[in-house]
Amino acid sequence: GAGVSQSPSNKVTEKGKDVELRCDPISGHTALYWYRQSLGQGLEFLIYFQGNSAPDKSGLPSDRFSAERTGGSVSTLTIQRTQQEDSAVYLCASSLEGQTLGKLFFGSGTQLSVL
Amino acid sequence: GENVEQHPSTLSVQEGDSAVIKCTYSDSASNYFPWYKQELGKGPQLIIDIRSNVGEKKDQRIAVTLNKTAKHFSLHITETQPEDSAVYFCAASFQTGANNLFFGTGTRLTVIP
Repeated sequence: GAGVSQSPSNKVTEKGKDVELRCDPISGHTALYWYRQSLGQGLEFLIYFQGNSAPDKSGLPSDRFSAERTGGSVSTLTIQRTQQEDSAVYLCASSLEGQTLGKLFFGSGTQLSVL
Repeated sequence: GENVEQHPSTLSVQEGDSAVIKCTYSDSASNYFPWYKQELGKGPQLIIDIRSNVGEKKDQRIAVTLNKTAKHFSLHITETQPEDSAVYFCAASFQTGANNLFFGTGTRLTVIP
């Protein structure tokens, strides 16, 4: 596709339920990032995938959060046993391998609301 | 780790006036400073960036300045237009060795027609 695609655009769930958020990066981009954006806050790094290397999970806030990237393309961010404080916009971004850090291309995000 | 502070959190200007957003960073090793614009309902988009070997960079109505000694950098928008209204984020990163950016908390710019 022309850009980074995220689905769903909005997700409302009940506390305690599991959710899966999907990201389709730009074709050919080997680096993929997940960020979380809480209301009125900056972007909080969650996890980074680069090619076949082990992902950098240093930003995941708890063990309820996990992410996979299958076939070096599509990524899924899973939040188990959701809590109200998980409510935020979850942004995915991709970039070309070897490209200068910072030239990220973001999707429009998934707005997650935990009731 | 790196800490990026951004001011102001909100900014309102009259159409045609200039807008300035300022950021400071803590880690002197940071050497790449991008600025992102986020419109309502969309993801952030890179609008301009600067590397540490350059003091200023311009792109039409947008300019960024960097003071490495003071560890601060600024975004300048001249002749503002209503479509400039958005949230702007600064960021700092290492060019190598790190794989994420450190973002500021954002500035909501409103251009009043």
